[in-house]
Amino acid sequence: NAGVMQNPRHLVRRRGQEARLRCSPMKGHSHVYWYRQLPEEGLKFMVYLQKENIIDESGMPKERFSAEFPKEGPSILRIQQVVRGDSAAYFCASSPWTAGTGNTIYFGEGSWLTVV
Amino acid sequence: SQQGEEDPQALSIQEGENATMNCSYKTSINNLQWYRQNSGRGLVHLILIRSNEREKHSGRLRVTLDTSKKSSSLLITASRAADTASYFCATDALGNQFYFGTGTSLTVIP
Repeated sequence: NAGVMQNPRHLVRRRGQEARLRCSPMKGHSHVYWYRQLPEEGLKFMVYLQKENIIDESGMPKERFSAEFPKEGPSILRIQQVVRGDSAAYFCASSPWTAGTGNTIYFGEGSWLTVV
Repeated sequence: SQQGEEDPQALSIQEGENATMNCSYKTSINNLQWYRQNSGRGLVHLILIRSNEREKHSGRLRVTLDTSKKSSSLLITASRAADTASYFCATDALGNQFYFGTGTSLTVIP
């Protein structure tokens, strides 16, 4: 029973390039969350998606960042024209139902983005 | 601003001792959860406590919740070197997401 799968685990991009981070939720989970963690800090919520829908993107920067969770395939977090400040660990989590219903969200191992 | 804040930020104890971490939050919640994160790894769920519960146990873990004070504590008894990690509380006050604090970094010295 595979857990939440994220890839790549480590990604190096030059300033101005694009970064694409992928997340396959646990089997049977249709809710996906993306969080960002800066060094020595906690996790900051970015976006919450269900299949083909963005439910809450209140934590997403207004520019350069986008997320999708298509009907088929993994959820994608896309960062265009990366800057050094985007260097962070990006975590995906999934759950069978929405937060607030007493269920746990399960995290992947994260994707570490380094912008040089 | 973030919903949960852990205290202390860092804690160092000897193996065998108990470790206590606290979490404070700002608004009413449905549930509070504790997670562990080993360096360079993802978060692992430890325990969930609902707003109508006051205490919960799981192995060497004991979690309390005081909704009147908007705080929770995580107690790890008889700590082991393998417990060395960062510990985060997460609340789901606003429905669509979980809010995490900045974590407590626990070091257990063998």
